[in-house]
Amino acid sequence: GQQLNQSPQSMFIQEGEDVSMNCTSSSIFNTWLWYKQEPGEGPVLLIALYKAGELTSNGRLTAQFGITRKDSFLNISASIPSDVGIYFCAGRGNAGNMLTFGGGTRLMVKP
Amino acid sequence: NAGVMQNPRHLVRRRGQEARLRCSPMKGHSHVYWYRQLPEEGLKFMVYLQKENIIDESGMPKERFSAEFPKEGPSILRIQQVVRGDSAAYFCASSPVEPGTTIYFGEGSWLTVV
Repeated sequence: GQQLNQSPQSMFIQEGEDVSMNCTSSSIFNTWLWYKQEPGEGPVLLIALYKAGELTSNGRLTAQFGITRKDSFLNISASIPSDVGIYFCAGRGNAGNMLTFGGGTRLMVKP
Repeated sequence: NAGVMQNPRHLVRRRGQEARLRCSPMKGHSHVYWYRQLPEEGLKFMVYLQKENIIDESGMPKERFSAEFPKEGPSILRIQQVVRGDSAAYFCASSPVEPGTTIYFGEGSWLTVV
């Protein structure tokens, strides 16, 4: 089946720093989605990408759909303590409507 | 997460009992997905349903697990004869009928098997 490799697995940064995380796949995806999950909660959609090369921002968050359709990155600028959580990439390919998730990036921000 | 309703949020079952998890999709959504998340891991696809149809159950264990999405009422994920390894967070998600649209998640049901 399709697999997503997400890196890094965890990051511990200082408040105000920029953050970058990415996902790669051996197969092509038609949609990339980035979610944030906090403890005891469900994943909350941050950004959705539908076209290769697409670059989309949501406040301090920016994500891009790689032109090869096999990768995506998420950047967070000027991190703040409330950015703490686990960030998941998810891709949807040709095999049905379901999403394949990366393993997550755990972000910790030191005030 | 607004709109996808799951209940119960927390469920404790003894080994051998049955667990039933319910999901009401967002208004206007006719596609429902169930995912399982083990502690410290990502979400794993289990099953994809439309009203009265199972579209893809390739991620669901062959035994003890079943899912339905009836014409009326919520989608149900049923786990029979639960074992400790079934302890996990179970997330439901929904999307509209159009392909390629965004999928929204509920807040999850945390199953603990004791």
